[in-house]
Amino acid sequence: QQQVKQSPQSLIVQKGGIPIINCAYENTAFDYFPWYQQFPGKGPALLIAIRPDVSEKKEGRFTISFNKSAKQFSLHIMDSQPGDSATYFCAASINSNYQLIWGAGTKLIIKP
Amino acid sequence: ETGVTQTPRHLVMGMTNKKSLKCEQHLGHNAMYWYKQSAKKPLELMFVYSLEERVENNSVPSRFSPECPNSSHLFLHLHTLQPEDSALYLCASSQDPGGLNQYFGPGTRLTVL
Repeated sequence: QQQVKQSPQSLIVQKGGIPIINCAYENTAFDYFPWYQQFPGKGPALLIAIRPDVSEKKEGRFTISFNKSAKQFSLHIMDSQPGDSATYFCAASINSNYQLIWGAGTKLIIKP
Repeated sequence: ETGVTQTPRHLVMGMTNKKSLKCEQHLGHNAMYWYKQSAKKPLELMFVYSLEERVENNSVPSRFSPECPNSSHLFLHLHTLQPEDSALYLCASSQDPGGLNQYFGPGTRLTVL
């Protein structure tokens, strides 16, 4: 119940395409869903986050879509660029609890 | 220095060695974390400190021993490790223990021979 399942494990997209990374959870008490981006040799960095009272959130080229009834959320990257090549992690937590439950990560490669 | 720094960046040690990992945060945060990152697996939370008090110890073997002398520094003391402990060890900090935005250091790549 505490797991967050992330797919796909790896993804290759042509420049300008829209990669989509999906995450699913079971615990309905989760109420905060962040996405982190990790470049090689660096630690993860918060990219964008959403709470379940909205179905979509956009920040620049990054969009989170949230489906509360399906207990799923996804990250979309518009007009993807080679510089977006990184590993992306979804996570979930219960508010005021420091313990983030992490997905296993998606290695994204954007081909020029 | 800015953000969260970790030293060393790479460490190779034998199973009988004793070594320490160091983390320093320059963000004025009150909570600090140790994570273990293994390939193709979710990040594993190991320890959490809030205002220098340990608030979480996620069933981590005693061969890992954390120390938080002040709110800016965090250490992970290692002794008699196993090869399966080889991983990237990440330090993070947040404004407070409920901090949902965690700032990560670059990690220490540990190899146990």
